[in-house]
Amino acid sequence: QLQLQESGPGLVKPSETLSLTCTVSGGSISSSGYFWGWIRQPPGKGLEWIGSVLYSGNTYYNPSLGSRVTISADMSNNQFSLMLTSVTAADSAVYYCGRQFKVGQTGRWFDPWGQGTLVTVSS
Amino acid sequence: SYDLTQPPSVSVSPGQTASITCSGDKLGSKYATWYQQKPGQSPVLVIYQDTKRPSGIPERFSGSNSGNTATLTISGTQAMDEADYYCQAWDSNTVVFGGGTKVTVL
Repeated sequence: QLQLQESGPGLVKPSETLSLTCTVSGGSISSSGYFWGWIRQPPGKGLEWIGSVLYSGNTYYNPSLGSRVTISADMSNNQFSLMLTSVTAADSAVYYCGRQFKVGQTGRWFDPWGQGTLVTVSS
Repeated sequence: SYDLTQPPSVSVSPGQTASITCSGDKLGSKYATWYQQKPGQSPVLVIYQDTKRPSGIPERFSGSNSGNTATLTISGTQAMDEADYYCQAWDSNTVVFGGGTKVTVL
């Protein structure tokens, strides 16, 4: 059974870089037909997609985050990572990673999701 | 950018049918996905490719998608179905989530 686990600092200072890693077990991130994605959820609010990566390095990002986000894949460790630069309090959220299915032109969904990790941006 | 609109809340009596809508421009031409999220838990996939249920999701959950509206229907709603529900679609190489609907079982 595929499992994903987020890890990284729970507290980041404003203007610094948020870095998180998602470790995948029970399957390989190099499996065809999947992207691997990051989604966040500010406390009490809805879900926001951050971006997704293919094992080969192809990426898709949420345009609203601009150039602040970088997602990369590490096949040797079966992990993928998120970096978000110049963070502010608005970036405080629970960050989830998930396997993203890719079917046809528009079939994209996440399953399963990691348990999520709370990141707070504060000095 | 592409937007998906959901009602903020839906109330339903136990045993009755709950319908949650998700509206977006020509949404019927894209696949719609639905997630269930209970307090303090990660989202769980309940419907993908408009109508398909993952293994382990009860048959009372069903989906449809046509025109500009996708609908998640919960038949014979149970107390355990009380949760937030999010729709999701893919447009212009972007994952888009609806704002979420809180389903209350009264």
